[in-house]
Amino acid sequence: GNSVTQMEGPVTLSEEAFLTINCTYTATGYPSLFWYVQYPGEGLQLLLKATKADDKGSNKGFEATYRKETTSFHLEKGSVQVSDSAVYFCALSDGSSNSGYALNFGKGTSLLVTP
Amino acid sequence: DAGVIQSPRHEVTEMGQEVTLRCKPISGHDYLFWYRQTMMRGLELLIYFNNNVPIDDSGMPEDRFSAKMPNASFSTLKIQPSEPRDSAVYFCASSSGLDTGELFFGEGSRLTVL
Repeated sequence: GNSVTQMEGPVTLSEEAFLTINCTYTATGYPSLFWYVQYPGEGLQLLLKATKADDKGSNKGFEATYRKETTSFHLEKGSVQVSDSAVYFCALSDGSSNSGYALNFGKGTSLLVTP
Repeated sequence: DAGVIQSPRHEVTEMGQEVTLRCKPISGHDYLFWYRQTMMRGLELLIYFNNNVPIDDSGMPEDRFSAKMPNASFSTLKIQPSEPRDSAVYFCASSSGLDTGELFFGEGSRLTVL
């Protein structure tokens, strides 16, 4: 079945440091890949997505490239801010109406950025 | 526009009591999902509906859990009887079902069963 594995946290970085959160997936067919972010006390919200191989999703300085050859979708940001402190979830959808476009989530990676 | 609305935000109850969580999806969204979030298991899909019809409930942990969607603007997740291991944050999410893959989440209902 479809699954997502992401690096365990917590990740602690100083402000302006470079961020990488690794995510790999297992899926049949051609899934769509997502990163969601959850700020304290809130629900998840979409950060970025990519729907086919070699696509790059980007938003708010974050980027991730859909790598089919390595089945990966690593999240990166060149210079993190304190406000980026949150939990980040990698997710996969098989992109079919059969699944209702339901998402399989990784376990989440907690990021803490210190001033 | 209002997002997905869940209630209650917090619920503390005693083992054996019935718990009902409520969700109002975004108007016009045809798909509704219930997820459970725990530290140990992360986010688990419990059940999803399409046009008010339950499509896949394979994630519902056991018969103590039930979900309904009587109309397009309301869904409930019920646990009866509740147990301490049901303590978690329960999220409702909705989507338009178009091939965008974006789910819109509510703020969650934090359940504590003593």
